Amino acid sequence: GQQLNQSPQSMFIQEGEDVSMNCTSSSIFNTWLWYKQEPGEGPVLLIALYKAGELTSNGRLTAQFGITRKDSFLNISASIPSDVGIYFCAGLVLGDWGTSGSRLTFGEGTQLTVNP
Amino acid sequence: DGGITQSPKYLFRKEGQNVTLSCEQNLNHDAMYWYRQDPGQGLRLIYYSQIVNDFQKGDIAEGYSVSREKKESFPLTVTSAQKNPTAFYLCASRAPRGSQFFGPGTRLTVL
Repeated sequence: GQQLNQSPQSMFIQEGEDVSMNCTSSSIFNTWLWYKQEPGEGPVLLIALYKAGELTSNGRLTAQFGITRKDSFLNISASIPSDVGIYFCAGLVLGDWGTSGSRLTFGEGTQLTVNP
Repeated sequence: DGGITQSPKYLFRKEGQNVTLSCEQNLNHDAMYWYRQDPGQGLRLIYYSQIVNDFQKGDIAEGYSVSREKKESFPLTVTSAQKNPTAFYLCASRAPRGSQFFGPGTRLTVL
């Protein structure tokens, strides 16, 4: 089946630093999604990407849909303590839309710790 | 406000008992999903439903059951056949372009 390799697994950074994480796959995806999950809560959608090459920002967050459709990255600029959490990428194959319920494939997550 | 609600937030169950987790959405989404999350791990799909009165098994359906009698509701029953039920359970619904929106989760502990 499809797999997403998300890296790094964890990051320990100082407040104010920039952060970069990425997801890669051997399969092509038509949609890339980035989520953030805080302890004991459900994941919250940060950014959705629908087109190869697309670069989208949400405040200090920027994500890009890779040209090959097999990867995506998320950057966080000028990190702050409330950025702490687990960041997940997820990919969607358009062909799944009608047949298999539009199932998402999730990365394993990047645990981000920000030291004040 | 539109969103997904899950209840209860914390649930304790004795071994051998069935328990039902609630999931309700008022986003008018057709498709809904149940995921299981274990500590330090990603999300694993239990069951999903594309439309009322229809549902399919995900990757780890054994020991679980669902129903979809109303568009807004997709309850999950964790049966006594589930060998390791202690976990964090997440419900989600799908927007038209494929994004999924999650509820706050239910933490189930088997005593």
